[in-house]
Amino acid sequence: KAGVTQTPRYLIKTRGQQVTLSCSPISGHRSVSWYQQTPGQGLQFLFEYFSETQRNKGNFPGRFSGRQFSNSRSEMNVSTLELGDSALYLCASSSALSVYGYTFGSGTRLTVV
Amino acid sequence: GIQVEQSPPDLILQEGANSTLRCNFSDSVNNLQWFHQNPWGQLINLFYIPSGTKQNGRLSATTVATERYSLLYISSSQTTDSGVYFCAVDDKIIFGKGTRLHILP
Repeated sequence: KAGVTQTPRYLIKTRGQQVTLSCSPISGHRSVSWYQQTPGQGLQFLFEYFSETQRNKGNFPGRFSGRQFSNSRSEMNVSTLELGDSALYLCASSSALSVYGYTFGSGTRLTVV
Repeated sequence: GIQVEQSPPDLILQEGANSTLRCNFSDSVNNLQWFHQNPWGQLINLFYIPSGTKQNGRLSATTVATERYSLLYISSSQTTDSGVYFCAVDDKIIFGKGTRLHILP
């Protein structure tokens, strides 16, 4: 079966712009989580959605937001981009409300210039 | 919050060698996973192991929840094992900083 699909794979944006990243989970998976990976901070949890509802949220400013659609696809949005938002953004899907069985996508590498 | 510490931070081994990676966590956790991130950034789920021992081919993992640590064993290393190994705990998937493993041919 198809894995977790993230689009786009690479993105270059200018400071102050906004960006939307997309994640399509494995068919049948209803939980989607987002993570930011940077060399300095490592992997950090952004938020988790289950059945269109945000279940958990990490310690990120309100510029970071997300949503999940009825088909379980999820998007995350970052507004007013800063240089420090440059990172690899990873999404993972799971069939249950837990970390068990998480499958990660290949990520979107965002560069803010 | 829970702190997750991994050791060693870097490890360089010759192909065929065995290795042990360690993950310490500061509080009781409901779940623990080991991941491998390959050089292209893909995170692969290796084990879900909140307690006990599991084996999958050349890899095995043991978690001693009462003593708050987990170990990942890699035997007969291959160059494809290179990358960063992360352990992650709890529902928000708190990741350690990882162990960067280099396997030399």
